[in-house]
Amino acid sequence: IAGITQAPTSQILAAGRRMTLRCTQDMRHNAMYWYRQDLGLGLRLIHYSNTAGTTGKGEVPDGYSVSRANTDDFPLTLASAVPSQTSVYFCASSDRGGDGYTFGSGTRLTVV
Amino acid sequence: AQSVTQLDSQVPVFEEAPVELRCNYSSSVSVYLFWYVQYPNQGLQLLLKYLSGSTLVESINGFEAEFNKSQTSFHLRKPSVHISDTAEYFCAVSDEIQGAQKLVFGQGTRLTINP
Repeated sequence: IAGITQAPTSQILAAGRRMTLRCTQDMRHNAMYWYRQDLGLGLRLIHYSNTAGTTGKGEVPDGYSVSRANTDDFPLTLASAVPSQTSVYFCASSDRGGDGYTFGSGTRLTVV
Repeated sequence: AQSVTQLDSQVPVFEEAPVELRCNYSSSVSVYLFWYVQYPNQGLQLLLKYLSGSTLVESINGFEAEFNKSQTSFHLRKPSVHISDTAEYFCAVSDEIQGAQKLVFGQGTRLTINP
C-alpha cells in the first residue's frame, strides 16, 4: 500500500542522547515535511524539503536537523535530546497541485 | 505568513445532533484550504479540501465545508453526527512556495460525541 512509513512507532530516550526518526515514502512525492504535535498547539513545522538535495527550516527547527539524500527518505535527527522535545512527530509528503499532504502514523517520543 | 484559528478547542455534542467546527484563516489572497481528521492514536487523514470552483465541498462521510472569502472562513459542518466521528479535526491553509506546498495548521478541535 502506497504511503509513508515512520519508525520507530514510539521511543523513550534519555536526555542528552542522539536519536534519528526515520521516514520513507513510496509515492515519489517531491516535497517532505516533519511536524511535531503538542496538546493545544496543533502541528508545527520543524523542517521541510522541496526536493531531494534541498532542505529548509520551519517554525520550530532548533535542536533538529534533517537530510534528503534521495526522493524517498527524510530522516529527522535530534543531536542531543531534551525533555521539551517530548512530542508526537509526524512525517508528511506532498506533490504539486494542491492535493494536500499524506501523513505517516507518527512517532511518539518521550525524553526523560 | 498565513495563520489559522480554530475557535473551539473542544466541542461536545450528542449523537445525531448537528455540529459546526469553526475555522478562520489570516489571508484573503488565493489559498488552498483543508480539513484533516485524526482518530485516536492515528495519523492525520485528509477529510476534504477547497482548491477552486464551488465554495461548498463535501466529504464521503457526510461532512461539508464552505469557503467564505469575505469572512476568511472555512467552517466544517455535519447535519447528524455518529459516535464514530469522535476525533480531533484540524483546519489547514496552504501556500505554494518554490514549487511546494506549505501547510499551516490550526490548533485542532476535539469533537466528542455523547450517546
